[in-house]
Amino acid sequence: EVQLVESGGGLVQPGRSLRLSCAASGFTFDDYAMNWIRQVPGKGLEWVSGISWNSGNIEYADSVKGRFTISRDNVKNSLYLEMNSLRPEDTALYYCAKDMGYCSGGRCYWFDSWGQGTLVTVSS
Amino acid sequence: EIILTQSPATLSLSPGERATLSCRASQSISSYLAWYQQRPGQAPRLLIYDASNRATGIPARFSGSGSGTDFTLTISSLEPEDFAVYYCQQRSNWPSFGGGTKVEIK
Repeated sequence: EVQLVESGGGLVQPGRSLRLSCAASGFTFDDYAMNWIRQVPGKGLEWVSGISWNSGNIEYADSVKGRFTISRDNVKNSLYLEMNSLRPEDTALYYCAKDMGYCSGGRCYWFDSWGQGTLVTVSS
Repeated sequence: EIILTQSPATLSLSPGERATLSCRASQSISSYLAWYQQRPGQAPRLLIYDASNRATGIPARFSGSGSGTDFTLTISSLEPEDFAVYYCQQRSNWPSFGGGTKVEIK
């Protein structure tokens, strides 16, 4: 069974940094692209960033480009999101999500497994 | 930027009824559309990808159709566990989601 467990969320002041982690199990982690997707509680979903299986292809939403950095460790079966210069509008539940992986280059951008999320609150 | 507009915002139906949810794209996205279900307090669950393919383990009462700019998710006969929020998502350029349709018990 696929399991994705996020951690690292919390309350942080505007302008500060935070690092999220996602521990993966139940599948061959280095076969799949991975993503971060966020959701303001009670609101809709926003894709934040994605990384290919070998870290060779990385993408960001315009809203976080230049401030957030995605990375992965295929030995530790873990995904990370380094968030710098945090803003109040970054407040959300952050989900780690696995790509389906059957498409060309392994990037389908269909998210077939999700963690339960970790809450990030940016406030003074 | 591709905008996905979902309608209606809320759908009030009874168990056993048919649900028809709409998702319209601001420009053609071919068949690059997925549908997700989100129950309260849970993460989204992939239902349909590539407009009409059911994901693993998804019951046959869920079906998707459409291409280009207009897409539909149909639930043939609502079960109690189907009352939830449904999102469409495109991958034609970077991924984006619609605003959601809440299916509530009438």
